[in-house]
Amino acid sequence: GQNIDQPTEMTATEGAIVQINCTYQTSGFNGLFWYQQHAGEAPTFLSYNVLDGLEEKGRFSSFLSRSKGYSYLLLKELQMKDSASYLCAVRDQGRGSTLGRLYFGRGTQLTVWP
Amino acid sequence: EAGVAQSPRYKIIEKRQSVAFWCNPISGHATLYWYQQILGQGPKLLIQFQNNGVVDDSQLPKDRFSAERLKGVDSTLKIQPAKLEDSAVYLCASSLGRGKNIQYFGAGTRLSVL
Repeated sequence: GQNIDQPTEMTATEGAIVQINCTYQTSGFNGLFWYQQHAGEAPTFLSYNVLDGLEEKGRFSSFLSRSKGYSYLLLKELQMKDSASYLCAVRDQGRGSTLGRLYFGRGTQLTVWP
Repeated sequence: EAGVAQSPRYKIIEKRQSVAFWCNPISGHATLYWYQQILGQGPKLLIQFQNNGVVDDSQLPKDRFSAERLKGVDSTLKIQPAKLEDSAVYLCASSLGRGKNIQYFGAGTRLSVL
């Protein structure tokens, strides 16, 4: 199985930058995902890292260090609509022909204030 | 492109009753997943299908939960009989089943067991 840890809550103000950290312990690693989930809605895919380093996509960036079991999601120029839960998920190496199971953290509830 | 469709959106039942959820994945996606998300937690995988075959149901409480994916497209998840602790959001996701294999989620069914 996997052990995934991320902060429960964070707050920030509009226009600011926030970094959401995620640490994990895994028996096999095949990628790390970040999802955004607004209350009562489906998780939506934000980013995917499988190699060490930074992946940038607009206002959102995600970083991975496999040796440290560590990732972060960086959100720039925060907007009110970024208030949501951010889920860190790790995929294991799977069984047979599958590409592995996704294990989710509890999510970090981000509140953006005006 | 249409997303993952789920119905119903909400369901309220009494304990010991039965309930069924339906999912229609994104067209062309070979892999389909059912997750359970309890309030304040991340989604937990219940079962994973590749086409119409089960590849991972290790976390499915088989004494009361069942799922099928006939013809490798739509899927149904059933709970019989329901318990109070089954109150949760049931999310369906689908993916190509190859490459990055990013999972795309439906809006979910919120189940309340009274």
